[in-house]
Amino acid sequence: DAGVTQSPTHLIKTRGQQVTLRCSPKSGHDTVSWYQQALGQGPQFIFQYYEEEERQRGNFPDRFSGHQFPNYSSELNVNALLLGDSALYLCASSLNRGSSYGYTFGSGTRLTVV
Amino acid sequence: GQQVMQIPQYQHVQEGEDFTTYCNSSTTLSNIQWYKQRPGGHPVFLIQLVKSGEVKKQKRLTFQFGEAKKNSSLHITATQTTDVGTYFCARGAQKLVFGQGTRLTINP
Repeated sequence: DAGVTQSPTHLIKTRGQQVTLRCSPKSGHDTVSWYQQALGQGPQFIFQYYEEEERQRGNFPDRFSGHQFPNYSSELNVNALLLGDSALYLCASSLNRGSSYGYTFGSGTRLTVV
Repeated sequence: GQQVMQIPQYQHVQEGEDFTTYCNSSTTLSNIQWYKQRPGGHPVFLIQLVKSGEVKKQKRLTFQFGEAKKNSSLHITATQTTDVGTYFCARGAQKLVFGQGTRLTINP
């Protein structure tokens, strides 16, 4: 059990559609980050949320947006889907006070855009 | 820039052989984290290194941080089939920048 829960586990969407992915962080964690992992590549940072605010953002277009709720859970929204958005989307949670214990990753959502 | 380069990209060993993966940066690293991702799985945090020249051990795994804090390595002694997976190094704190990983396969 990863401690971080993501839903759905798999998703197939059509180009141009919109998608929402959900994440519940590990109990006690207050910070949520989202990563995109293409096949055979390392995860790429999308953004991080803390105290319901986007704290840092990677090199992703505005089609990627997110939200963090008061209970620390988070959503990742992707608009106007492109074929290139097909990937494994990983949510990672941590404690804001430091990264000494690393990030706890969820099992991910496998998004396929057709 | 901020990238970290990992070598080799792939490594196939016989069970019982040792394995090493290297992580290199052109700029000084404040810290380096290591993760393991099993096939079909998600990254799992192994360790964080912060100090110059730091060496940490976890059973058969030995992690090193270079004196100049520009490189790091992960060494596995006497590999077992459970060690199969991709090993990633990552720099950063709030924003992790991952290397491309070293995929380890083992012949039992």
